[in-house]
Amino acid sequence: QSALAQPASVSGSPGQSITISCTGTSSDVGAYNYVSWYQQHPGKAPKFLIYDVSYRPSGVSNRFSGSKSGNTASLTISGLQAEDEAHYFCSSYTTTTSVIFGGGTKLTVL
Amino acid sequence: QVQLVQSGAEVKKPGASVKVSCKASGYTFNSYDINWVRQATGQGLEWMGWMNTNSDNTGYAQKFQGRVTMTRDTSKSTAYMELSSLRSEDTAVYYCVRAITYWSFDLWGRGTLVSVSS
Repeated sequence: QSALAQPASVSGSPGQSITISCTGTSSDVGAYNYVSWYQQHPGKAPKFLIYDVSYRPSGVSNRFSGSKSGNTASLTISGLQAEDEAHYFCSSYTTTTSVIFGGGTKLTVL
Repeated sequence: QVQLVQSGAEVKKPGASVKVSCKASGYTFNSYDINWVRQATGQGLEWMGWMNTNSDNTGYAQKFQGRVTMTRDTSKSTAYMELSSLRSEDTAVYYCVRAITYWSFDLWGRGTLVSVSS
């Protein structure tokens, strides 16, 4: 099973908004509303950002939001800040009761 | 403090096995499944499987079936992941993660680097 497709990199200026896409198939992203997003700074463990497509865990800034349409999920970060520069990974539950991750997207804050 | 503390880095030769431990603290260990996720240097995340810490039931990614074993010792609030028949492609950081659902991981260990080299 191939990884979910994410753009390798995105960039934006402070204060702007960016969106990262995560494309799967009808056997994963399209099958359930079970998409999660994680943020990873260099040398650190990933941090839980979004679950069930659009829900934020306690403590996560409301500048992070998630959505889904068909087989593609999206993470939007509004009001970009320098500290948002990191790698972002999506994941989805699959119809074979496994979890699949995206390849990751490097966000650069210009 | 709610955390997962993993064992230290390992260096193994091809064909050997490695067993990584993950000690939970600050919460009730058997209230959440533990999953294992690995990440090769500069690469993405790869899910390896899950273990129900209450029932000891497990489920492994097809790629690792036959090579991975996930166990736990509830008296020590510790989960273990053993990977056998190691090859160079298994060189990666291995994370234990707490699952709040089958598909969402809210708490991550710091990771254990496993290096496989002859």
